[in-house]
Amino acid sequence: QSALTQPASVSGSPGQSITISCTGTSSDVGGNDYVSWYQQQPGKAPKLIIYEVSNRPSGVSNRFSGSKSGNTASLTISGLQAEDEADYFCSSYTSSSSHHIIFGGGTKLTVL
Amino acid sequence: QVQLQESGPGLVKPSQTLSLTCTVSGVSISSGNYYWSWIRHHPGKGLEWIGNIYYSGSTYYNPSLKSRVSMSVDTSKKQFSLRLSSVTAADTAVYYCARDRLTVVDYWGQGTLVTVSS
Repeated sequence: QSALTQPASVSGSPGQSITISCTGTSSDVGGNDYVSWYQQQPGKAPKLIIYEVSNRPSGVSNRFSGSKSGNTASLTISGLQAEDEADYFCSSYTSSSSHHIIFGGGTKLTVL
Repeated sequence: QVQLQESGPGLVKPSQTLSLTCTVSGVSISSGNYYWSWIRHHPGKGLEWIGNIYYSGSTYYNPSLKSRVSMSVDTSKKQFSLRLSSVTAADTAVYYCARDRLTVVDYWGQGTLVTVSS
C-alpha cells in the first residue's frame, strides 16, 4: 500500500483533458507545498513534470498543470496527445519522522 | 545534461548484501545544492525512498531500513553507492538513484532490477 493514493488508471481521447488525483494527509500533501509529479515511459527514467504543486520545469509542456486542495493534489493534462500515454506518479515532502519524501502508487494513463 | 546511471548485480542471494553504484554526469556531485538519493519500486507497489547522502558523506536513511542500509560517496569518481544487508525476497525491486533537492527529486536514473533469489 502506497503512502499517497492515486487511481490505478485513467483514460481519455486525443484532445481531451484528464485529471489525476493524489491524496495524502495533513502531514504531507496538506501540510506543505512540496508536491511533485513525474511521468514515466516504459523502460525510461521518471521525468519531473511538476514541482512545488504547480511549477513546471523548463522544457515541460504547458499542457501539464498542477493544483492542490486540502490533502489532495491534482495533475491535469490538457489537449491529450498519444505521446502522453505513460505512468504518472506523485510525491510529497512529509513532516513525518519516518520518511523524507513519500510517493503515490502511480496512475497508468491510456490515450484512446 | 544531468544523467545518472545505476550499476550492480541483478541477482542477489537471500541473506547476502545488495550493492549498487550510481555514476553521475552533467553536474558536480560535490555541489552543495544537492543530496543524492536511492529509491526503489517494488513490483506492483509504490515507490519507497531508501535514503540520501550529501557530498560530505552525511546521510539520512528511511527508518524502516536504517538497520540494514549504508551509503557512501566517492566525489573523485562522481559516484555514490548503496549497500543493503541481509536481503530477502521482499527487497526485490527496481532500484533508482536520483538527485535530491530535499523537497523534490528532480533527476532519476533509468533504474536497475535487483532480484533476491537463491
